[in-house]
Amino acid sequence: DAGVIQSPRHEVTEMGQEVTLRCKPISGHNSLFWYRQTMMRGLELLIYFNNNVPIDDSGMPEDRFSAKMPNASFSTLKIQPSEPRDSAVYFCASSSPTGRGNNEQFFGPGTRLTVL
Amino acid sequence: GDSVTQMEGPVTLSEEAFLTINCTYTATGYPSLFWYVQYPGEGLQLLLKATKADDKGSNKGFEATYRKETTSFHLEKGSVQVSDSAVYFCALSAQGGKLIFGQGTELSVKP
Repeated sequence: DAGVIQSPRHEVTEMGQEVTLRCKPISGHNSLFWYRQTMMRGLELLIYFNNNVPIDDSGMPEDRFSAKMPNASFSTLKIQPSEPRDSAVYFCASSSPTGRGNNEQFFGPGTRLTVL
Repeated sequence: GDSVTQMEGPVTLSEEAFLTINCTYTATGYPSLFWYVQYPGEGLQLLLKATKADDKGSNKGFEATYRKETTSFHLEKGSVQVSDSAVYFCALSAQGGKLIFGQGTELSVKP
């Protein structure tokens, strides 16, 4: 199994540019999560989907951030326009709940975003 | 709401020392509990888990026991290696399939 796939692995862009991060969850998983990790704030949940439907986007920092999941095998996280404070590692994770709270999540390798 | 609290890091140990990383939680109901590990430059990966009270999760020499009476899930290893240097996250399962993570504890093992 290929695991969760994220692209690109590294992204360097200039302030004001649009950034799109991509994620392919593990086949058969019906939940997908986007996280952001920084030294200052640690690991933050931005948004998650169940069966392609956004369930909780309360962690999305502001309107510049948006996420979509057009089908079960693909999701995007977009930042428009990007700002230097968006620099972080963004992780995608997927899971397939199997029972009472046993929601093991499988993480991708992350995208390291640098906004200059 | 549900929350997880871990001991502050960084923790620095010599090789073969005993490791304890404390984790306590606040939750409604009976969540499953997890320890994840993040090696440098990588994503998080599951280290061990426990799904009910008094369960012990174990993997790679690490252990943690689900203690409902003390709402704790402390991570232990009898003899750490340099290769165990990583960041360790305690987490609990929450409604909707979410995980609530602690802030992470960085472990550095010196030869």
